[in-house]
Amino acid sequence: SQQGEEDPQALSIQEGENATMNCSYKTSINNLQWYRQNSGRGLVHLILIRSNEREKHSGRLRVTLDTSKKSSSLLITASRAADTASYFCATVSGAGSYQLTFGKGTKLSVIP
Amino acid sequence: DSGVTQTPKHLITATGQRVTLRCSPRSGDLSVYWYQQSLDQGLQFLIQYYNGEERAKGNILERFSAQQFPDLHSELNLSSLELGDSALYFCASSLGGGMNTEAFFGQGTRLTVV
Repeated sequence: SQQGEEDPQALSIQEGENATMNCSYKTSINNLQWYRQNSGRGLVHLILIRSNEREKHSGRLRVTLDTSKKSSSLLITASRAADTASYFCATVSGAGSYQLTFGKGTKLSVIP
Repeated sequence: DSGVTQTPKHLITATGQRVTLRCSPRSGDLSVYWYQQSLDQGLQFLIQYYNGEERAKGNILERFSAQQFPDLHSELNLSSLELGDSALYFCASSLGGGMNTEAFFGQGTRLTVV
């Protein structure tokens, strides 16, 4: 079953603009991760944010986490055509197991 | 390149058949995970192995089984295949079995059941 729900489902922007994707989840988590998937290919890990962290940066990526609202956002600044992909949030919950529960993803198109 | 190798890349088979998907994790990774990605269900966690032992089970059908061998490679066996089993099957690996580590995904096996 899906834990995270990304919003929007699809996003189209011009190169150079910022892209913001949101993720909401239902149960308490240990951490939340964002992954990128180019069409039909494997997922690439982007960033992990722990439940006691509020914000994290990695290059042009900025992730925030609000555990009180059970939501996270991924900001990609100065987008490039190569950023065109689907972006998924995934949560890890519970002790003793490592099960990533993915949302349905946001399809980002960056127009050159 | 994530370092996770999956074979075959594509597989076409008939309903009722049985197939085996293979995964070699990154060197040194002890955990292997299997995920199924389909258009209607999205990415679903199937099962996790850690150092040869089953660690967690998700939405894995009884027709499906997996194992992790002493050399840490893993196989996912799908039997009595149905049209609805057509999907991308991903293997991922991570160093430990813990929660605060990233997973590295293979390129997937695209299974088509006809």
